[in-house]
Amino acid sequence: ETGVTQTPRHLVMGMTNKKSLKCEQHLGHNAMYWYKQSAKKPLELMFVYNFKEQTENNSVPSRFSPECPNSSHLFLHLHTLQPEDSALYLCASSQDTSYGYTFGSGTRLTVV
Amino acid sequence: DQQVKQNSPSLSVQEGRISILNCDYTNSMFDYFLWYKKYPAEGPTFLISISSIKDKNEDGRFTVFLNKSAKHLSLHIVPSQPGDSAVYFCAASAIGTASKLTFGTGTRLQVTL
Repeated sequence: ETGVTQTPRHLVMGMTNKKSLKCEQHLGHNAMYWYKQSAKKPLELMFVYNFKEQTENNSVPSRFSPECPNSSHLFLHLHTLQPEDSALYLCASSQDTSYGYTFGSGTRLTVV
Repeated sequence: DQQVKQNSPSLSVQEGRISILNCDYTNSMFDYFLWYKKYPAEGPTFLISISSIKDKNEDGRFTVFLNKSAKHLSLHIVPSQPGDSAVYFCAASAIGTASKLTFGTGTRLQVTL
């Protein structure tokens, strides 16, 4: 498999559930990102990891918890979410923190 | 406050004609601009970019123009093809913050036969 792979593609969860989103990149990149796209809003940067270290947390609520065990994998752990957290969550990677992002297909999250 | 604005949510263009997608920005620290294209059920893919030291960058059918004084950039697609139908996002990065792209809300382009 090549590129950036996100699983699951779709997720429906209750407000009391705990779930995780997974992102895997096979490009040899060392920077990974989580973005959120809500309806009719711009893509919003959530987190940046560079060489497994978090370098950016864009004031994201603590109910979103990222984890980057190595440069190829990125997780977003979710707990006690709100319905307004329903959105498309996109993972991306790049070589160094440069402009050439490669995005995954995203996880469509619905919180009920 | 949105720093990158795409004021046209949608655009319809006939096949073979020129498509012009517009983007305005407010942050004078932005020095690098990108266009991404997104098909349904796929992630955005990088299309073309321009540095603030240039006013034009061309790649095949795609040309991006930058007017720094007006804080405006545009993407021209000539000739437009049905496969160009997608959502186009404008993005910008400020000096020294290559890791932090600020995106617009996107413009949905429909190329009709």
